[in-house]
Amino acid sequence: GAGVSQSPSNKVTEKGKDVELRCDPISGHTALYWYRQRLGQGLEFLIYFQGNSAPDKSGLPSDRFSAERTGESVSTLTIQRTQQEDSAVYLCASSFHGDSGNTIYFGEGSWLTVV
Amino acid sequence: AQSVTQLDSHVSVSEGTPVLLRCNYSSSYSPSLFWYVQHPNKGLQLLLKYTSAATLVKGINGFEAEFKKSETSFHLTKPSAHMSDAAEYFCVVSDSGNTGKLIFGQGTTLQVKP
Repeated sequence: GAGVSQSPSNKVTEKGKDVELRCDPISGHTALYWYRQRLGQGLEFLIYFQGNSAPDKSGLPSDRFSAERTGESVSTLTIQRTQQEDSAVYLCASSFHGDSGNTIYFGEGSWLTVV
Repeated sequence: AQSVTQLDSHVSVSEGTPVLLRCNYSSSYSPSLFWYVQHPNKGLQLLLKYTSAATLVKGINGFEAEFKKSETSFHLTKPSAHMSDAAEYFCVVSDSGNTGKLIFGQGTTLQVKP
């Protein structure tokens, strides 16, 4: 498809387990973002990739969270030793370039529930 | 640091009446501003964006927003609400440093009554 694709769309995991969330950005987009949205709240920035530059990890809430991106393609967000407060929708977005004027397109999110 | 404040967490209007969703921003430079809409169980969709061109920005589905620097506001309006407009609306400002990183407001839930 032409949009940002995320998988899985839904994930239920037990507390303490690790989870991996995947994002396929729009082809040709050099900038990729991860956001988290807790129930009834706005989006929290997590991490930003731009081309081959070092990622901006300033939004990661703890060292249990990490993300990787291979070149200008797929990204994986990993949450280790999940906690109940990690339950949220994790949204991936991409844009043609990490410029404030470029439109950022969002995927439909990965809904994570930690039980 | 950049920030946005959405002044109403919940707005309720009758179908066919005007919509006003209020947003104030704080920025140390000339920002890019956006409105996104999120329908239940759907992804975020860009309604419109302001990037230092015309101060009155027209978006999709009849929405528009006016950038007022003197008031540091970017309110979203629509002349006549439709039932399908019921959703969560987010006012968003771009972060500094030209990264494109977005700072989201807390959201306004728009309810449209028949």
